[in-house]
Amino acid sequence: EIVLTQSPGTLSLSPGARATLSCRASQSVSSSFLAWYQQKPGQAPRLLIYGTSNRATGIPDRFSGSGSGTDFTLTIRKLEPEDFAVYYCQQYVRSLTFGGGTKVEIK
Amino acid sequence: QLQLQESGPGLVKPSETLSLTCSVSHGSISSTTYYWGWIRQPPGKGLEWIGTIHYTGSTYYKSSLESRVSISLNTSKNQFSLRLASVTAADTAVYYCARHLDDSGGIDAFDIWGPGTLVTVSS
Repeated sequence: EIVLTQSPGTLSLSPGARATLSCRASQSVSSSFLAWYQQKPGQAPRLLIYGTSNRATGIPDRFSGSGSGTDFTLTIRKLEPEDFAVYYCQQYVRSLTFGGGTKVEIK
Repeated sequence: QLQLQESGPGLVKPSETLSLTCSVSHGSISSTTYYWGWIRQPPGKGLEWIGTIHYTGSTYYKSSLESRVSISLNTSKNQFSLRLASVTAADTAVYYCARHLDDSGGIDAFDIWGPGTLVTVSS
């Protein structure tokens, strides 16, 4: 099973700041099969990015994804109040696994 | 816009079988394009994929759950279902059904999710 490790566990930032979230895989993941989700309390996750860098329908362009091999990054260019949430990465190249999540909180 | 809705008992006794149904509206589960999955999230913890089914009946399960899990389709009702046998307290979680995105032609990310339903395993 491919293990995804997300860092940091918590990111404390101010609105308007840039957020950089990391997802590291225990073995190489094709860039076609890495996704990012946002989850707010009491809600289902929402797909943000698929195929490493493709924004899902309706996702603002302040969200961007990059990476290859075992290291992937989600960047939020200028944090809006609604962006404070938990973010998960997911791989779907061999079985499906999720990372443990990064909480982005207001500083 | 396609919508998903989970339903089933909110309380299941240990050693019994958890059964949930996902009802699909404003779209057909019979499309050969899409795969349909179940994901769970224990309270305060992360997400865990359980399994996925395609219209053809092909199923894919998380290896550690495979001996206890079954996912099936009911095309006449536009639903798919999850059964998880021999449950313990560790199976207490919010259970989500979701649709896989149509990107690679196979199993992709989840683009549409149901709101989730909490299932508690307790006597």
